[in-house]
Amino acid sequence: DQQVKQNSPSLSVQEGRISILNCDYTNSMFDYFLWYKKYPAEGPTFLISISSIKDKNEDGRFTVFLNKSAKHLSLHIVPSQPGDSAVYFCAASLLTGNQFYFGTGTSLTVIP
Amino acid sequence: DTAVSQTPKYLVTQMGNDKSIKCEQNLGHDTMYWYKQDSKKFLKIMFSYNNKELIINETVPNRFSPKSPDKAHLNLHINSLELGDSAVYFCASSQEWRTEVPFFGPGTRLTVL
Repeated sequence: DQQVKQNSPSLSVQEGRISILNCDYTNSMFDYFLWYKKYPAEGPTFLISISSIKDKNEDGRFTVFLNKSAKHLSLHIVPSQPGDSAVYFCAASLLTGNQFYFGTGTSLTVIP
Repeated sequence: DTAVSQTPKYLVTQMGNDKSIKCEQNLGHDTMYWYKQDSKKFLKIMFSYNNKELIINETVPNRFSPKSPDKAHLNLHINSLELGDSAVYFCASSQEWRTEVPFFGPGTRLTVL
């Protein structure tokens, strides 16, 4: 019963272009969302979050968009850099909850 | 200065053995977790401890037993290892048990032969 889905296992983008990573969730009660970045043989590293009172949150080159009616969020990376090549996980939770539900990740490759 | 550390990083063992994975965090967080990432890359919570007290115990075989000697440590002991236990196990911690951003350790890749 996967409540958070990342349907694209991989994505390749040219350096300097925009990377868009997508995430869908099934539980309409989720109201807090995270994105993590993971390099091989390392643990996931927190990137950016968004709560359901917002539809957008920016941090430097990273922007997360939330569409509550579609139960969809996306992470935009502009401009993409080779160092962004990693696996990106989204996660969702209830603000009053006690755990996050993770997607299976999207492997991003930024081509120099 | 590692925030969340785990040992060992790699663990290769035979079916039927008992093994432990250790986790320590120096962030002063109250809550610690164990997550399992299986072969399908699905990252799923196993256990959560808040101030040494068990908060979350997902449907995990009772061969898996977490132990928290203090709030900076959460160890995972696995009895009678099976092939299906092969996975990457991540320890994490967060400021408190209500949803706060978990900070992850580097993971322990367990291979059961």
